[in-house]
Amino acid sequence: QSALTQPRSVSGSPGQSVTISCTGTSSDVGGYNYVSWYQCHPGRAPKLMIYDVSRRPSGVPDRFTGSKSGNTASLTISGLRAEDEADYYCCSYAGSSTGVFGGGTKLTVL
Amino acid sequence: QVQLLESGGGVVQPGGSLTLSCAASGFNFKNYGMHWVRQAPGKGLEWVAFVFYDGTHKYYADSVKGRFTISRDNFRDAHYLQMSSLRPEDTAIYYCAKGSDSGWYFDCWGQGTLVTVSS
Repeated sequence: QSALTQPRSVSGSPGQSVTISCTGTSSDVGGYNYVSWYQCHPGRAPKLMIYDVSRRPSGVPDRFTGSKSGNTASLTISGLRAEDEADYYCCSYAGSSTGVFGGGTKLTVL
Repeated sequence: QVQLLESGGGVVQPGGSLTLSCAASGFNFKNYGMHWVRQAPGKGLEWVAFVFYDGTHKYYADSVKGRFTISRDNFRDAHYLQMSSLRPEDTAIYYCAKGSDSGWYFDCWGQGTLVTVSS
């Protein structure tokens, strides 16, 4: 159950696009289409942004898109807005009804 | 509206025990698996435990296996995390999270409860 690998930080200016990667192994990210992404603001409950690699829950803007290739999943945020500044975590099913998170990525909107 | 409310956090000495509770409302609780996820100070999220919708199957992260027990009460719409042999590295905010009806994701989270393991 080793944590998935995410960049510690990414940044972009308002209106730009950023992509956050999430690298695992064939036992988690690469083995299942069960990658999800969460947005965390300090003092608030985490919020589901993407599930099943690329599906968006109702209410999440279509500026947020998810994808996967091999053992790496990605979250792309286009048309960056100030309120997107937060920590983002990926999570993958890891088999046997267990899961594993990434280490988290701090997004800074310049 | 789905709501999850954790309680039971506090300060406990190393080696001690604590039980967290999560009260659920706004959805048909008995139809969903439930999870605990934690976040240590300055660290990332860590999946901790999962209990099936009917309580028959329970799964744990290696870091807590043998020390923590997850359970649920479908009559009270609540689930629990019994923590024993606590270590300083168990210090974290503990979140309860609602499992998905398919796949593996957490579509609703509580606000969290802080557990501090310190002498």
